[in-house]
Amino acid sequence: AQTVTQSQPEMSVQEAETVTLSCTYDTSENNYYLFWYKQPPSRQMILVIRQEAYKQQNATENRFSVNFQKAAKSFSLKISDSQLGDTAMYFCAFIPMNRDDKIIFGKGTRLHILP
Amino acid sequence: NAGVTQTPKFRILKIGQSMTLQCAQDMNHNYMYWYRQDPGMGLKLIYYSVGAGITDKGEVPNGYNVSRSTTEDFPLRLELAAPSQTSVYFCASKSGRSNYEQYFGPGTRLTVT
Repeated sequence: AQTVTQSQPEMSVQEAETVTLSCTYDTSENNYYLFWYKQPPSRQMILVIRQEAYKQQNATENRFSVNFQKAAKSFSLKISDSQLGDTAMYFCAFIPMNRDDKIIFGKGTRLHILP
Repeated sequence: NAGVTQTPKFRILKIGQSMTLQCAQDMNHNYMYWYRQDPGMGLKLIYYSVGAGITDKGEVPNGYNVSRSTTEDFPLRLELAAPSQTSVYFCASKSGRSNYEQYFGPGTRLTVT
């Protein structure tokens, strides 16, 4: 069975600090996508960053970057210079390439950015 | 572009009642999805559709029905509401099979008492 595990239910950091959210996954697929979604209190699901498994280079989007370790099946999210607006639930998600149905979400990490 | 819209935003149902959650998208996306999010959990797929007239079950379809008569609309029907269906429901869409990004609606919070 394919699973996504986020081992940190909740985290708090001071504004401007760097924080890393962990995610591990289990799959027998070789080609897939990995995502981090942000869900602020408004409940809207917002795509933060994505990684294609066939790419060795880690994805970066402004202050957000990932550390993708395919052999270890690890996909952590680093938020640099954290801001109050980063306060949200963060979900790690996985989907095999060219599959219509099988997007798997982790249980989420609730991140608090403290002023 | 309104993107993906969902109505209502909130609803309280009594056990045994029925209701339809509405979802619409104006991006001409072929693929549409319904998820539920239980407290402290990630999203689980209820049903999905790859185009008008085609629907398929996801991970947790029991107690729900869907239809897809047009590209734009993908309503989710609860026939006999049960407390276990208390959840937040999200609709999402994407343009095609090789397009990875799903666009989410704002969600519907449903309480069954």
